[in-house]
Amino acid sequence: DAKTTQPPSMDCAEGRAANLPCNHSTISGNEYVYWYRQIHSQGPQYIIHGLKNNETNEMASLIITEDRKSSTLILPHATLRDTAVYYCIVPFNSGNTPLVFGKGTRLSVIA
Amino acid sequence: GAGVSQSPSNKVTEKGKDVELRCDPISGHTALYWYRQRLGQGLEFLIYFQGNSAPDKSGLPSDRFSAERTGESVSTLTIQRTQQEDSAVYLCASSLAVRQLPQHFGDGTRLSIL
Repeated sequence: DAKTTQPPSMDCAEGRAANLPCNHSTISGNEYVYWYRQIHSQGPQYIIHGLKNNETNEMASLIITEDRKSSTLILPHATLRDTAVYYCIVPFNSGNTPLVFGKGTRLSVIA
Repeated sequence: GAGVSQSPSNKVTEKGKDVELRCDPISGHTALYWYRQRLGQGLEFLIYFQGNSAPDKSGLPSDRFSAERTGESVSTLTIQRTQQEDSAVYLCASSLAVRQLPQHFGDGTRLSIL
């Protein structure tokens, strides 16, 4: 898997947008960026993925830079239930087994 | 819709006992994965199934660990003669096929060895 770098922790006020950065400077042209999160005492939850274009779903938006060396996960209106560890993953060849989870970013949403 | 289901959610057992952990993947998912997560640690990959076959068992921590899958559906992870270092959350995930993402995870079985 391509190496990813994320800040260890971030805080966000409830109701505000949470912007979680990820650097993946060694990503190759056909590799996707995947985001998962793990809420305390739960299994990892898939959030979103993308290749080149920005993506949006009901959970979040993913902004990928033009050179694809970094991306930002955006939770538009963070709630207390969004407190979790967020993982940015670039799986080799977009599907190789297994998924490798780094240390991620611990997001704390504060009331 | 139905996600990946694991049972039991919690298991406490004495050292030396055998335990069996169950995973029901999402219907139609041919690929199934087992991971282990020790307290405060990242995910450690154990084994995956393509259909009912496990092509690579080298990720299993020791020969006390075994896994099987039947009917391209339910999988069981068995740990024989449990040791205290086996205490962890055991996570199961499934995907449409082995080289297809995303993998969808269950909430795991929290195993505690006394």
